[in-house]
Amino acid sequence: GAVVSQHPSRVICKSGTSVKIECRSLDFQATTMFWYRQFPKQSLMLMATSNEGSKATYEQGVEKDKFLINHASLTLSTLTVTSAHPEDSSFYICSAAGQGNEQYFGPGTRLTVT
Amino acid sequence: GQQVMQIPQYQHVQEGEDFTTYCNSSTTLSNIQWYKQRPGGHPVFLIQLVKSGEVKKQKRLTFQFGEAKKNSSLHITATQTTDVGTYFCAGNYGNKLVFGAGTILRVKS
Repeated sequence: GAVVSQHPSRVICKSGTSVKIECRSLDFQATTMFWYRQFPKQSLMLMATSNEGSKATYEQGVEKDKFLINHASLTLSTLTVTSAHPEDSSFYICSAAGQGNEQYFGPGTRLTVT
Repeated sequence: GQQVMQIPQYQHVQEGEDFTTYCNSSTTLSNIQWYKQRPGGHPVFLIQLVKSGEVKKQKRLTFQFGEAKKNSSLHITATQTTDVGTYFCAGNYGNKLVFGAGTILRVKS
């Protein structure tokens, strides 16, 4: 199956700083990528849909100025958590859409804001 | 908005017993997908169901899509310890997936 990488896998940052998370599709081109957030033992909550070459589409309740998404190429999307606060601590997972609507998930990034 | 309800939240079975998780959508789905997430891992795509009444099998796993394309189930026959994890259904509304809450499966050997 398709491989999606995510970097970093784990990051600890201080409150008020910004963190960038990269999502790459390694063996296929992904015009659409998705960013999810997952709290412990809970489901995946879609944050935004990232489209190559255009602005991301954010879900209701997700602040686009806080969670900046850039999809500059067919293999890379980035999520920047700006001015992070402890409540932003979570597991962030990206996925890339396959040809048949299935999604291939990255390994996730665990963000801890102190 | 679109919602996908999934039950049960948690199931603990003896190895060899069967397991079933159910999903229900408030509106008709274009398709439904199933994913498995191992503890500490990320979701892995299992299957996609598209047609009304569709049934697909993957070894001991049987997936069904309801006639009205609003509900789906995943049944595992004779569970093994390797089946542990969280099983998510995800309803496809246009181009967007809405995940169910997931069912955590634990298997006692």
